[in-house]
Parts: sequence; C-alpha cells; structure tokens
Amino acid sequence: RKEVEQDPGPFNVPEGATVAFNCTYSNSASQSFFWYRQDCRKEPKLLMSVYSSGNEDGRFTAQLNRASQYISLLIRDSKLSDSATYLCVVNPDRDDKIIFGKGTRLHILP
Amino acid sequence: SQTIHQWPATLVQPVGSPLSLECTVEGTSNPNLYWYRQAAGRGLQLLFYSVGIGQISSEVPQNLSASRPQDRQFILSSKKLLLSDSGFYLCAWSVGSSYEQYFGPGTRLTVT
Repeated sequence: RKEVEQDPGPFNVPEGATVAFNCTYSNSASQSFFWYRQDCRKEPKLLMSVYSSGNEDGRFTAQLNRASQYISLLIRDSKLSDSATYLCVVNPDRDDKIIFGKGTRLHILP
Repeated sequence: SQTIHQWPATLVQPVGSPLSLECTVEGTSNPNLYWYRQAAGRGLQLLFYSVGIGQISSEVPQNLSASRPQDRQFILSSKKLLLSDSGFYLCAWSVGSSYEQYFGPGTRLTVT
C-alpha cells in the first residue's frame, strides 16, 4: 500500500457545486496532515492544515478520520479559480519529512 | 515576512553538462530547507533536506548533490546531467518542529 494515495481525477464540477475528495494514508502513527494546492506549472501552496477536530476556512473544510486513515477536503460553492491540483500531505512520524500524494485534479466548469 | 527565492526560473542544459540551482530564504533564521523534484505527471520527490549549515541528508541516491554554505542558502548541483534529471525543481523551507513547508517558485529544467 502506498504511503499516501489520492484519486488522480480529474473531477469536473460545475461552478457553484460542492465537491469533496479523500486521501488515504498507510502509517497509523502519522501525526500531521495538510492540503496543498498546485496550479499548473506553479509551486504548491499550503491550503490548510488538518487537525483532529477538523478545520474550516471559508468555503474549505478539512476532516481527519484516524480510524479509517483518511483525510478529506470539501469545497463548497466552488469557483472557477478553484481549478487546480490538490495535494494531500502526511507526516509519517519520522524525522522532519512529509510525504506528498500525487494530487487530485479539479476542473470547475462555467 | 518570509520569502523564498529560486533561480533560474527555467533552464535548458545538454546531457553531461553541470548544474547549479540556488535557493535563498529571507525573513527567518535557521530554517529547515528541502529540495524536491517533480517529474512530468508524477508526484513530488524529496531529494535532500538540511536542518543546518553543512548538514545535508540525501533521500535518493543519484548524480545530484546539495550544499548549504550559509544559514539561508541551499544549492543543488550536478557534475553531469542525465536526461532523467529533467523536471521541476522546488526548494522549500520550514521552521522548528512545524511540518508546514513553503515552496519557492521552482526551476523548470530540461535536459536535452
């Protein structure tokens, strides 16, 4: 099982809709979780951290399910500008390294 | 506020030529520094990381090397590039025990 797995997509979603995607991780001792956003040919940018209690930032909500070892990202009222690749990131509790998933591509359709 | 610089933005180099990519961070002291590579259609691969001057950890054996001559400077080098070295090279930093990493704009390298 890969350390961090994501559905590559693409998710094609009409503007204004709600979209959610998950990311599974293999190491049950993992402690830190993040979602990054990467636009085409640009660097990844930190979108939000994922806490045990969940995290909400405007239209974005991140959740952690330790029992099933996955994190999720929910985007409400999607905008055209939300089109990007969303990277799931996990610290597998070793050293200072984090592991990136390969990303889920999201296309918001007008 | 902290900023991270990388140069050059794009680079085209012939096979067998040397490489030097530079990354500098401003606005923070003693950052942890990282070099990643993202090949076309693939995920981010950690190449090197450094927790201090002169301290380099290598993740993947290959023909690349890294150095940290100053606290906020991280350099990625190669003596002889291979075709497989093509990719998007990203430098990132974090501080203390935080695992939140912040990326520079990257260098897109094409080896011909």
